[in-house]
Amino acid sequence: EVQLVESGGGLVQPGGSLRLSCAASGFAFNTYAMNWIRQAPGKGLEWVSTISGRGGSSYYADSVKGRFTISRDNSRNTLFLQMNSLRAEDTAIYYCAKGPGVGVFDFWGQGTLVTVSS
Amino acid sequence: DIQMTQSPSSLSASVGDRVTITCRASQSITSNLNWYQQKPGKAPSLLIYAASSLQSGAPSRFSGSGSGTDFTLTINSLQFEDFATYYCQQSYSTPLTFGQGTKVEIK
Repeated sequence: EVQLVESGGGLVQPGGSLRLSCAASGFAFNTYAMNWIRQAPGKGLEWVSTISGRGGSSYYADSVKGRFTISRDNSRNTLFLQMNSLRAEDTAIYYCAKGPGVGVFDFWGQGTLVTVSS
Repeated sequence: DIQMTQSPSSLSASVGDRVTITCRASQSITSNLNWYQQKPGKAPSLLIYAASSLQSGAPSRFSGSGSGTDFTLTINSLQFEDFATYYCQQSYSTPLTFGQGTKVEIK
C-alpha cells in the first residue's frame, strides 16, 4: 500500500525557515518523481516543486524560486522541502505527491499545515 | 505560463444527473491534461490523466475528453460521494498549473 506522510509544518514568523519531510512507503521510491503542492486556506491548488527520481533534476514555481529547495534521500525513502525567507503568502497546507513522471500527481499525502505569522 | 480556466466555478446538481465541467488552456497542451477530485478536509486524488485515461480505482462514471486547448470532465449518473471540488491541471510544461476549481454541490 502506497503511503506518503508529511511532517514538519507549524507556525513560523515571517522571514523564518522550516523544513518539511515526506516519508514514503509501498512503492519503489527512487523510480518516481516527487512533488510538493500547496493549498492556501480556502483557495485552490498551487504546484510548488518537483524533483526527479534520482534527484538530478528539480523544478520550482516562480513564487518560491530562490527561497525553497527540494531534495530527497532515496536511502531513507524521504522527500524534503527546505523553506527559507518565509512570507505570509506561503501559509498553506503542503502536500507531497508522487508521480509516474514529471507533471502528474497520482498519489497524495494528507498534508501538513504551514502558518507564517507574527 | 499556461493559464487554466475552468467553468463553471460551481454548479448544483442532483443524484443521477450527468455533469460536465470544462477546462480551457491558454495555449495548446496536446493531451497533457489531468483531473483531480478533492473532498472537504481531504487531499486531492487523481481521476483522469492524459486527458482521457481513467486512473486505476476511479469509478467508470468519470470520463475525460479533449485535446489542444479544450477539455471536458463528465460525470455520468452523479452519486452522493461525487459532491466535491474538481481541478484540472496541465502537465505540458513547467510551471505546472491548475484551474481554479469547480465545486459540485447538491441541489
